[in-house]
Amino acid sequence: DVVMTQSPLSLPVTLGQPASISCRSSQSLVYSDGNTYLSWFQQRPGQSPRRLIYRVSNRDSGVPDRFSGSGSGTDFTLKISRVEAEDVGVYYCMQGTHWPPWTFGQGTKVEIK
Amino acid sequence: EVQLVESGGGLVQPGGSLRLSCVVSGFTFTSNWMTWVRRAPGKGLEWVANVNKDGSEKHYVDSVKGRFTVSRDNAKNSLYLQMNSLRAEDTAVYYCVRARAMDVWGQGTTVTVSS
Repeated sequence: DVVMTQSPLSLPVTLGQPASISCRSSQSLVYSDGNTYLSWFQQRPGQSPRRLIYRVSNRDSGVPDRFSGSGSGTDFTLKISRVEAEDVGVYYCMQGTHWPPWTFGQGTKVEIK
Repeated sequence: EVQLVESGGGLVQPGGSLRLSCVVSGFTFTSNWMTWVRRAPGKGLEWVANVNKDGSEKHYVDSVKGRFTVSRDNAKNSLYLQMNSLRAEDTAVYYCVRARAMDVWGQGTTVTVSS
């Protein structure tokens, strides 16, 4: 199974400042079709998870452009250019290249300092 | 509006059974794989199972194989998860999710396994 490792697991941030979360996979996530099936999800307190980013860098509809995804192979990053109060929650990366199983990272808790 | 509405959660004793349901609307159910994901208290998200468009292909996380069964009724726009031989470690919020890419999530239903 592909292991997804996120860092940090806890991320205190100052409002208006940037934030960055790293996600590393135990093997390359490039699929035979040339695509890389790496997604990012946000789960705010008391809410269901929501997909933010798919295939490394594509933002879902309605996701603010302060969120961006990047990376390749085994190394990926989610960046928030300027953190807002509504960004508090837990963020997960997930791979959908080598399945089953589909695997998530451990989650990174973003909180305001 | 795309909606996924889960039901069927509750409190059950170890070794017991529950059947979760998810009714969807706002999109073509038969065009999508469907997925169950759970989040146990204090833990992260875990993919549990999914099923292809016509119900002929199913996949499960190792920890539920032989105990859980995923199914769908395309005529009723519904997804199901039959959970047998439940254990304390199955306690979680269970989410119904559209597609293998997990682009739309339901609000979740809570399953508590405890004596």
